[in-house]
Amino acid sequence: SAVISQKPSRDICQRGTSLTIQCQVDSQVTMMFWYRQQPGQSLTLIATANQGSEATYESGFVIDKFPISRPNLTFSTLTVSNMSPEDSSIYLCSVALNTEAFFGQGTRLTVV
Amino acid sequence: ELKVEQNPLFLSMQEGKNYTIYCNYSTTSDRLYWYRQDPGKSLESLFVLLSNGAVKQEGRLMASLDTKARLSTLHITAAVHDLSATYFCAVVGIQGAQKLVFGQGTRLTINP
Repeated sequence: SAVISQKPSRDICQRGTSLTIQCQVDSQVTMMFWYRQQPGQSLTLIATANQGSEATYESGFVIDKFPISRPNLTFSTLTVSNMSPEDSSIYLCSVALNTEAFFGQGTRLTVV
Repeated sequence: ELKVEQNPLFLSMQEGKNYTIYCNYSTTSDRLYWYRQDPGKSLESLFVLLSNGAVKQEGRLMASLDTKARLSTLHITAAVHDLSATYFCAVVGIQGAQKLVFGQGTRLTINP
């Protein structure tokens, strides 16, 4: 299995600012995934982060808004830029190991 | 484009009763997951189903997969209050890939 540590667990941010979320996994993995869960909604994939290359973004998500870093095989960051109240969500990182998909504990972001 | 649909979206039931949550998906996939999410928490992995006819059971929960019908079920037997949560199914979007497409979630409330 994989243990994923995500930081911060929650934050309240002012609109117009940026927040960087960190995700550390205890195993080396090729791909890490970032998901967003808006209030009362399901999970939507933001992007896939591969080590050594640019992240691949899903439709509706752009690098300028959600820049991602992937400096090594155990770590990734997601930045939520120029935040607005619509960005208030839970952000989760995920990794796949063998046939399992593991999730971090999530970052609950509130933008005021 | 892969779509995953769950029903029902909301389910209120009494302790001791049985019920089934359905998960339909629109294109061929080789992996289906069931997760549980408690309010304010991350996802807890319940089952990974890898092949047609797969059936897995854990306690009062049993999951099955019919790849020909593109249908998975999560059956709850003799429900207890502790099973109150939101349940998500998720499907691997592209064969060999690892990113997940989630259903809308089923919010299950079990009343004493």
